[in-house]
Amino acid sequence: KQEVTQIPAALSVPEGENLVLNCSFTDSAIYNLQWFRQDPGKGLTSLLLIQSSQREQTSGRLNASLDKSSGRSTLYIAASQPGDSATYLCAVKPMEYGNKLVFGAGTILRVKS
Amino acid sequence: GAVVSQHPSWVICKSGTSVKIECRSLDFQATTMFWYRQFPKQSLMLMATSNEGSKATYEQGVEKDKFLINHASLTLSTLTVTSAHPEDSSFYICSATRPGQGIEQFFGPGTRLTVL
Repeated sequence: KQEVTQIPAALSVPEGENLVLNCSFTDSAIYNLQWFRQDPGKGLTSLLLIQSSQREQTSGRLNASLDKSSGRSTLYIAASQPGDSATYLCAVKPMEYGNKLVFGAGTILRVKS
Repeated sequence: GAVVSQHPSWVICKSGTSVKIECRSLDFQATTMFWYRQFPKQSLMLMATSNEGSKATYEQGVEKDKFLINHASLTLSTLTVTSAHPEDSSFYICSATRPGQGIEQFFGPGTRLTVL
């Protein structure tokens, strides 16, 4: 059974810092991995999607990497801003389960001004 | 493109009543829709997968008679929580995939259900 773990559970940093969020998964047989942002009481916003054949994806100040063989992904946020404060969720699409997504519990990020 | 809406955004109901939540794909036809629930400070847990015109597939441990899913058209899926109880209080989120692009799910804004 695929399990996704995110570390740390919460993170508080001063504005301007670069930071890394970690995601690990137990089964490397995945189609892709996706990072989402969730604001309190809101739905999910897709940030980056990495196909299993890719090593990384970049969008603006965000960079996500994928090491499928070791079951790890990182989300790098450069020059963090207070507006980046949110919960960041990692999800994998296992090959075994068709179109389903398996989510981690998320990292709650607070960027202090 | 790929906008998914949910209605209502929040609902409060009395214990024992039934509540219907709608999920709509606004600018595309959704081949498949998914329903998730999320408890406070926990991750999203898939409840069921629904395809238009067919019965929903429920995840293990999810009571299909309690959480009724109807995917009547390619743009609308509904989740009805029957005989709701306080332990059903949660954040319910739907997602949808587009025909031929089954890789990515597009998520709705969620519905906060509170059962008194």
